[in-house]
Amino acid sequence: NAGVTQTPKFQVLKTGQSMTLQCAQDMNHNSMYWYRQDPGMGLRLIYYSASEGTTDKGEVPNGYNVSRLNKREFSLRLESAAPSQTSVYFCASSVGGGTANQPQHFGDGTRLSIL
Amino acid sequence: KNQVEQSPQSLIILEGKNCTLQCNYTVSPFSNLRWYKQDTGRGPVSLTIMTFSENTKSNGRYTATLDADTKQSSLHITASQLSDSASYICVVSAAGYSTLTFGKGTMLLVSP
Repeated sequence: NAGVTQTPKFQVLKTGQSMTLQCAQDMNHNSMYWYRQDPGMGLRLIYYSASEGTTDKGEVPNGYNVSRLNKREFSLRLESAAPSQTSVYFCASSVGGGTANQPQHFGDGTRLSIL
Repeated sequence: KNQVEQSPQSLIILEGKNCTLQCNYTVSPFSNLRWYKQDTGRGPVSLTIMTFSENTKSNGRYTATLDADTKQSSLHITASQLSDSASYICVVSAAGYSTLTFGKGTMLLVSP
């Protein structure tokens, strides 16, 4: 029962470097999400994909790009990493959107430090 | 602006005791309210989801209540166990939107 799998689990980058966070779900869910979680703050939505082939900006999209590769996979890319992007990143998936009475299933996060 | 406020920020209780966590929201129009448990170093896990018409829902020793008129919810944990030590996050969905509004969470520590 893999659920939502995120890779890598930890990463340290230098300012200006780029990287892609990977996320895959095996529950045949339509919707996928990328969040960041910072100390003392609630989870904040970066981007989401309501269905395969669509992506939309969330609350804090600046500095990020996403790709919904197929129904299973949703990647998050940092083109030029900045120290302000140091955070824990969570990927989630759900059957439908927020109004659907179905839970979001979360991965265990990628802990990203940018020096 | 849609907001979710949780109290207290943190709480320490003795093993075996009960506790209640609070959530107030200003999300409108309301669709549903969720409670998640997040263990340290892990992703959040769903405990309950309640719609407008539901005023209570249980999941084992966890019981959530919802008062849609006052826009308040509570999560009651009965006979606490050490494994209940975690952050509990209240999340509200607005009707017509695909996204959710998250509270900052209440950090619960159950002490032996």
